Amino acid sequence: QVQVVQSGGGVVQPGGSLRLSCATSGFTFSDYGMNWVRQTPGEGLQWVAFIQYDGNEKYYAESVKGRFTVSRDDSKKTVSLQMDSLRPEDTAIYYCAKDRARLFGSIIDSWGQGTLVTVSS
Amino acid sequence: DIQMTQSPSSVSASVGDRVTITCQASQAISNYLNWYQQKQGEAPKLLIYGASDLDTGVPSRFSGSGSGTDFTFTISSLQAADVATYYCQQYHDVSLTFGGGTKVEI
Repeated sequence: QVQVVQSGGGVVQPGGSLRLSCATSGFTFSDYGMNWVRQTPGEGLQWVAFIQYDGNEKYYAESVKGRFTVSRDDSKKTVSLQMDSLRPEDTAIYYCAKDRARLFGSIIDSWGQGTLVTVSS
Repeated sequence: DIQMTQSPSSVSASVGDRVTITCQASQAISNYLNWYQQKQGEAPKLLIYGASDLDTGVPSRFSGSGSGTDFTFTISSLQAADVATYYCQQYHDVSLTFGGGTKVEI
């Protein structure tokens, strides 16, 4: 069955960087786009980024554009989210999640377990 | 971004009751609407996609309807296992957006 297993996360100071990763199995990784979604107690679920099945196009929420970078490694079936210039408002649980589509985010059908990122001095 | 407004924010019902949640989009999104269930401490789980299609393995007591800007999610006979927060999400736009969630309690 589809598995999405996340790693990374932790506590970082404002202005710092952090890299999240997720390893996948149980499906043909190179056929699907992948998302990052975050969740805060106050703001619910917020989509962060999407990378197309071939990595050619990437889309970001306005709130993270220019600071976060999503990438994928088809040989390792992994997706990463590089987060730079972190702000306290980036504090959230981050989910890596498989999409059902190739080109644009649509139906998120499998989610990782989530990883907590805390931005605090 | 397309705003998704869910109501109510919480609902308390008895086992066997019918529970209905609504989701309104700030602009027409055709049927590009999904519903997710999130239990405490877990990741969200896809229940319904394309406004009304039940995902594989999802019990038939869950259903969805609507098109354009107004959507409805229904649990026909509430079970204890359905205690969770439910979210709608649109995919008409490249920037996906979620509703604020509805907490369902027994």
